[in-house]
Parts: sequence; structure tokens; C-alpha cells
Amino acid sequence: EVQVLESGGGLVQPGESLRLSCVGSGFTFGSYAMSWVRQAPGKGLEWVSGLSGSGDFTHYADSVKGRFTTYRDNSRSTLYLQMNTLRGDDTAVYFCAKTKSGGSFYVGTDFDNWGQGTLVTVSS
Amino acid sequence: QSVLTQPPSASGPPGQRVIISCSGSGSNIGKNTVSWFQQLPGASPKLLIYKNNERPSGVPDRFSASKSGTSASLAISGLQSDDEADYYCASWDDSLDGQGVFGTGTKVTVL
Repeated sequence: EVQVLESGGGLVQPGESLRLSCVGSGFTFGSYAMSWVRQAPGKGLEWVSGLSGSGDFTHYADSVKGRFTTYRDNSRSTLYLQMNTLRGDDTAVYFCAKTKSGGSFYVGTDFDNWGQGTLVTVSS
Repeated sequence: QSVLTQPPSASGPPGQRVIISCSGSGSNIGKNTVSWFQQLPGASPKLLIYKNNERPSGVPDRFSASKSGTSASLAISGLQSDDEADYYCASWDDSLDGQGVFGTGTKVTVL
């Protein structure tokens, strides 16, 4: 069974850093692009970043560019999101999502498996 | 911020057909495929449609979708009470460095 499982959320103060992790199982992790998608309380879905299966291509939303870094360790089937200089508007549930289409260089939005999400709260 | 526009709400009685629109631009829907997601209250999103009109296994054929130019639509036929959820379209946007984009979301209510 294909699964993705996030961890690492919590309460941090503005300006602090946090790293999220997402472990994939039941599929060849390095063959699929992975993304982070977030959802602020009571709001819609917002794509945050995406990383090709090979790890060679990384993309970020304008709202997090320069503050967040996404990377992966295919040997550990793990995706990471390093979040620096956190702000109040970064408060959200962060989902890890796997794309349905495979390929080392593909990055898309056809997310066929989602984690349960991990809550990040930025507040003083 | 969302660059794909959806109506905030849609509704219909059981058995009715509901259509949700998703409006984008030449840099996203006009160039790339569209996916649709269903999010039930308190749950993670679920893929309903990918590559504009393809259904993953397990998704009922009551859900169908199409794309034309810079717009897309999702149709739900034979509306059921457990279809009550939020629905989102998504696509890739080739502007700047490239990024994923979601629609603003549509709340479907079964009357």
C-alpha cells in the first residue's frame, strides 16, 4: 500500500525555523515527484514547493521563495521542507503529496497520495 | 495566492448534476493538464481527475471533467449526500520559474 507520512510540525515563534519530514512507502520513492501543499485554518489549498524524483528540479511558490528549501534523500525515501524566517501567515497544515505520473524530471500537480498533514503554528 | 478561479459554492438536490468551473490563463491551464481534488471535512484531499479527464481507479464515473482553452470544468452526476465536500482544481503554471497552482475551491452542498 502506498503511504506518505509527515512529521515535524509544532508551535514556533515568528522568525524561527522548523524542518518537516515526509516518509514514503509502498512505491519506488525516487521515481516520483513530491510536493508540499499547505492549508491555513479555514482556507483553501496552497501549493508550496515541488521536487522532481531525481531531486534535480525544485520549484517554490512566490510566498516562500528564499525562506523555504525542499530536498529529498531517496536512499531514505524521505522528503524534507526546511522552513526559515517563519511568519504568522505560514501557519497551516502542511501536506506531503506524491504525484501520479512518474519520471525523474517531472514535477506536476496530479497528486494521487497525500499524507494526513502536520500542523505548523507560528505565534508569539 | 490562487490564480485559478472557481465559484465559491455550488449545490443541488440528490440525483442532480452539478458543474464546477475553473478559470485560468495561457500560462497554466492553457499549456498544462488539470487535476481535480475532493476534500471531505477534516480529511486530506483525494485525487478525482488527472490529465484533464482521466479518473484514477476507484473513482466513480459520476465524476467527469473536461478542458477547453484556459478553462476546465468538473461535473458530478447523480449527486449523493457524501459528495458534500470542497473541490479544487490544480495545474502547473509555466510563468517565472514554474509553480503549481490550485483553484480557490468550491463548496458543494447537497440540498
